[in-house]
Amino acid sequence: KAGVTQTPRYLIKTRGQQVTLSCSPISGHRSVSWYQQTPGQGLQFLFEYFSETQRNKGNFPGRFSGRQFSNSRSEMNVSTLELGDSALYLCASSLAVVSSVVDTEAFFGQGTRLTVV
Amino acid sequence: GEDVEQSLFLSVREGDSSVINCTYTDSSSTYLYWYKQEPGAGLQLLTYIFSNMDMKQDQRLTVLLNKKDKHLSLRIADTQTGDSAIYFCAEKPGMGRRALTFGSGTRLQVQP
Repeated sequence: KAGVTQTPRYLIKTRGQQVTLSCSPISGHRSVSWYQQTPGQGLQFLFEYFSETQRNKGNFPGRFSGRQFSNSRSEMNVSTLELGDSALYLCASSLAVVSSVVDTEAFFGQGTRLTVV
Repeated sequence: GEDVEQSLFLSVREGDSSVINCTYTDSSSTYLYWYKQEPGAGLQLLTYIFSNMDMKQDQRLTVLLNKKDKHLSLRIADTQTGDSAIYFCAEKPGMGRRALTFGSGTRLQVQP
């Protein structure tokens, strides 16, 4: 069974540009969450999607957005990039058979390392 | 708000036991997790414990939970050089709030 796949693995962008990151969850998993990891702030929650709907959102500005497709694949977009957006962006997938179930296990991908110059 | 605290660094000799500690503040936590991160990699789920349990053992890993003190620990028996990594403690709050709150991570260095 394939794990969580994130593409691309590495990305270099210029300030002011926008970027789209992709996450393919484990087959059968319907919930996808995104986290930002930086040396200064650690791991911070961005948002979570279930069945194409955003059901949780962290404290990030509106420049950070996401979506989920009918096949559960998810993308996150960051517009008007700033130097401080340089980070490892991690995606996690969990089973979440129905929306009310608290998932026990979240499996993470390898992450996309974004560098903004 | 929720807060999860960990010590930053632990150094042990190969073959010894490692104990990584974590404290959390959210009394509504349902599950508590330990993740491992090796350089340049994502997070690997090691184990988790439900909040109504005291202990969980999984091969070389033992998780102890003191719910009264909101203290979680991960013991790695017979620590190997391959165990060198950063270990993150995370808690999942009660229904309605699904995001994991992570600690800052403990860097485990295993010396041969």
